[in-house]
Amino acid sequence: AQKITQTQPGMFVQEKEAVTLDCTYDTSDPSYGLFWYKQPSSGEMIFLIYQGSYDQQNATEGRYSLNFQKARKSANLVISASQLGDSAMYFCAMREGGRGSTLGRLYFGRGTQLTVWP
Amino acid sequence: DADVTQTPRNRITKTGKRIMLECSQTKGHDRMYWYRQDPGLGLRLIYYSFDVKDINKGEISDGYSVSRQAQAKFSLSLESAIPNQTALYFCATSDSMGRWEVSDTQYFGPGTRLTVL
Repeated sequence: AQKITQTQPGMFVQEKEAVTLDCTYDTSDPSYGLFWYKQPSSGEMIFLIYQGSYDQQNATEGRYSLNFQKARKSANLVISASQLGDSAMYFCAMREGGRGSTLGRLYFGRGTQLTVWP
Repeated sequence: DADVTQTPRNRITKTGKRIMLECSQTKGHDRMYWYRQDPGLGLRLIYYSFDVKDINKGEISDGYSVSRQAQAKFSLSLESAIPNQTALYFCATSDSMGRWEVSDTQYFGPGTRLTVL
């Protein structure tokens, strides 16, 4: 089974609008971390935001926020006030914290291509 | 200067050739990883190393080998390249700070685009 599912292959948003990129995850481990990365067309992977499974509040980093719904096992990325430079591929990833859980590895989703238009 | 560097950035090679991809980091991190990215598949883990003496296979290690020459250097080798190893390869690092944390953020290099003809 897929550990991370991103159901939106592509999303379009107008500049200055907000957009939500969906991510659902699958784990039975009570301790886990969720990450979002941005990959612009130049190819590098840029860390955006992190949410821990025990965190009581949703993570925020500037224009990025993570809508964490633990019971639904979803960790959607919200980008507010979209900019043209936000056009990129976005990946959701998870790390499990339990014993023997291939310590350190990240499970990645297949990504969502976001296009911001003027 | 970039904290995580990868060389070469682009490489075209022929089937059957041996090729090495190199990764260096100045972040002082102890953990290093190699991933490959294929279109539509996200990133998949090839090998990872928690220190110089600790190397582990990831989910797709067949056809690859690695060497951790120093804390700062982690090389990936394709002993006999084949066309389905054409992909974008990423090196990543994280800092365990001597303990295990789910929040350890992995920082990625710029990637190496490898084409095997």
